[in-house]
Amino acid sequence: DQQVKQNSPSLSVQEGRISILNCDYTNSMFDYFLWYKKYPAEGPTFLISISSIKDKNEDGRFTVFLNKSAKHLSLHIVPSQPGDSAVYFCAASAGTDKLIFGTGTRLQVFP
Amino acid sequence: DAGVTQSPTHLIKTRGQQVTLRCSPKSGHDTVSWYQQALGQGPQFIFQYYEEEERQRGNFPDRFSGHQFPNYSSELNVNALLLGDSALYLCASSLLATWDRFSGNTIYFGEGSWLTVV
Repeated sequence: DQQVKQNSPSLSVQEGRISILNCDYTNSMFDYFLWYKKYPAEGPTFLISISSIKDKNEDGRFTVFLNKSAKHLSLHIVPSQPGDSAVYFCAASAGTDKLIFGTGTRLQVFP
Repeated sequence: DAGVTQSPTHLIKTRGQQVTLRCSPKSGHDTVSWYQQALGQGPQFIFQYYEEEERQRGNFPDRFSGHQFPNYSSELNVNALLLGDSALYLCASSLLATWDRFSGNTIYFGEGSWLTVV
């Protein structure tokens, strides 16, 4: 039972444009959501998070949007840079710091 | 400031053998969680240790066990290895006292230990 889903395995975006990565969840008890970036041969690196009491959180080029009614969140990267090329994981937690991860989306930013 | 460190980086084991993986949390952190990441999948929560006790556990069999030491470092042990145990094992650390339901917590991951079972 996949409680956190990232339905797009890959995404290709031109440098300078917006990258939008999507994530859906099924468990209504999730109250905290995180995005991690992972390069090959490295551990996941924390990017940005959002609490269920908010619908938007920004940090520089990264913005996360949460739509609780649709059980959907998205990560926007503007502008996209070649160094953003990595696998992005969406994760959620329900009252604890145990994270439930999606399967990841591979983002490729080309010149 | 050292981040989360894990050892070994890579190892190969034979079916039926036992393996021990090690993790040192980020300085100042007291909670260690272990995740298994199979190829093409997201990390899956194995268990979490706090104050030398297992605090939470995911859906993994008893072959997976762990330990936390007084210095907060941790070990993951897997007995009777199966081919399906081949994966990247990630250690994550956090400070339990700073976790909040609405602001969450920043959880730091190590680079992982690649386990291949042949």
